[in-house]
Order: sequence, then structure tokens, then C-alpha cells
Amino acid sequence: NAGVMQNPRHLVRRRGQEARLRCSPMKGHSHVYWYRQLPEEGLKFMVYLQKENIIDESGMPKERFSAEFPKEGPSILRIQQVVRGDSAAYFCASSPRESAEAFFGQGTRLTVV
Amino acid sequence: GQNIDQPTEMTATEGAIVQINCTYQTSGFNGLFWYQQHAGEAPTFLSYNVLDGLEEKGRFSSFLSRSKGYSYLLLKELQMKDSASYLCAVSQAGTALIFGKGTTLSVSS
Repeated sequence: NAGVMQNPRHLVRRRGQEARLRCSPMKGHSHVYWYRQLPEEGLKFMVYLQKENIIDESGMPKERFSAEFPKEGPSILRIQQVVRGDSAAYFCASSPRESAEAFFGQGTRLTVV
Repeated sequence: GQNIDQPTEMTATEGAIVQINCTYQTSGFNGLFWYQQHAGEAPTFLSYNVLDGLEEKGRFSSFLSRSKGYSYLLLKELQMKDSASYLCAVSQAGTALIFGKGTTLSVSS
């Protein structure tokens, strides 16, 4: 049973480009969470999704950021017109139900140059 | 909203015992998790408490007092490999785990 898979592991984008981060949850998990982590800081919640639905996006910036978890395929976190401040590690986690233990992927390290 | 506090840094020596505290203020409490995160790696699950009391799992134990909004993670027989960040996270109904900023533990010989 493969764990949570994120790709790419490292992503470099120039300012103004788009970044697409992918997350495939563990088999049988229908709850997906995205977090952002800056160096020396904790995990900051961004968005919580269930298949085809956004449950809570209170942690996600209103502009440039969007997330989806389609019926088929991975969850996607999309950042449009990236700026240097978007540089961070983005972690995806999944769980089989709400409030259960969340399993984390290895993260995508986004660098904006 | 939620407020989760834990110390920023702690140091200890090999073989010792260390206690990492976490206090929280939240509504709709559904449980408290502890995760370990080594530098540059993904967080990994350590423990889960939903009822008051102590949960023991090998060298690691976790305690919860819901009335006080307080938890601690106890690490015994410390090893160098225990040097990592320890993240306290609170579960609330209807949303994702909310994490504290983490406690960086440095274990020296």
C-alpha cells in the first residue's frame, strides 16, 4: 500500500509563472489536506478537500491559489502568477475519515526565482 | 479560532527523559495528535489522545487533560536520532488538523 505521493519533489518557477503541485492520497483515503511550511516554522493549514468538494479553504489566500480533488486523479494545488513569497514546502496529507490520523507525503519544495 | 502553544526549542542529553508541553484553546475538540518531523522530511505520526490520561507506546508517551487544554509528549531513554521537531496538532469537527509551530529538540551526547 503506497503512501501519500506528491510530485514533483522540487519545483522551480520564475516570478509570474504557474505552479501545479500534485498529491495522490493513500488508497482508501478520501480526505486530503494541504499545508504550507516555511523554514523553521510549523505547518500552516491551507485547504481541506473530499472527493470533488472543498470542505474548508479558510487557510488559503483568496487570490492566485486554488485546489481541487476530482473524482478521478490526484488532488492539485495550483498557484498562479507566483511571487518570491510563495517559496516554501507544500505538504499534502490524507486520511480515511475526518479527525483520523493524517498521513503525509514527502512534500513539494517550491522555489520562486 | 484555535490557539496552540508549545516551546520553540528544548535541549537534552542522550539517555535522559524530556517532556514537551502543549496548551491549546479550541472549540469542538476531537482529539490531539503528536507528530515528529526530521529536517527536510515529512511529519510522521507519533500518538493520538482523545480521552484524558496517558497513552504509552514504547519510549514515547502522551498525556491529555481536556479540562485544562493541556497535553505533553514524554520521550524516555533519549537517542541522538530523536533530534527533530515535535508538532502538537488539534483535531476539530469539520476541519483539518491544526498544528502548533513545533518544538525543536536537540539531543547531545
